[in-house]
Amino acid sequence: GAGVSQSPSNKVTEKGKDVELRCDPISGHTALYWYRQRLGQGLEFLIYFQGNSAPDKSGLPSDRFSAERTGESVSTLTIQRTQQEDSAVYLCASSFPPGGADTQYFGPGTRLTVL
Amino acid sequence: DAKTTQPNSMESNEEEPVHLPCNHSTISGTDYIHWYRQLPSQGPEYVIHGLTSNVNNRMASLAIAEDRKSSTLILHRATLRDAAVYYCILRGTSYGKLTFGQGTILTVHP
Repeated sequence: GAGVSQSPSNKVTEKGKDVELRCDPISGHTALYWYRQRLGQGLEFLIYFQGNSAPDKSGLPSDRFSAERTGESVSTLTIQRTQQEDSAVYLCASSFPPGGADTQYFGPGTRLTVL
Repeated sequence: DAKTTQPNSMESNEEEPVHLPCNHSTISGTDYIHWYRQLPSQGPEYVIHGLTSNVNNRMASLAIAEDRKSSTLILHRATLRDAAVYYCILRGTSYGKLTFGQGTILTVHP
């Protein structure tokens, strides 16, 4: 079946603008994750949704970042008042079920550039 | 999550085996050892995982030391397409996120 999809693939915005990034997980996957990868760096965890449980927001870098998920489907990551340091590739992953042995499937990412 | 240590980079020739090491001396008894790789300009992809015994799949083999303080990802015949950053990650049984380190940059020469 289809993999994880993300849109847009590229986003260029001006400093101070708000952006929304979308993730469509694999159908049936109950867990969804957002990560950020700055140029030349490893991935940083941002937020994790699991079913109807409260999301784990421990990785969000500031209150300008927020994310929502509708049931067990689409998720949107919103960055308000973007800053140049927000420039990065934002990656979404999904899995089923959660736990030590589950495999995360990653989307292609959204490359965000803040001018 | 316990910490892992990997070499920054490794090189290999095409069609030769590659052994990518990972040290995880503080691993707990319930931590799984996962390997992901990230090809250029792509999201990471799962390679293999194990708990105690060695594991094989179509992509690679995972050799786990008896004391579990280290492991080795084995690519039996490297191809140019295997050039990527390889991440060794430990995961407990109750938490979903992956904690990525810097990984090992694998260069494959034709």
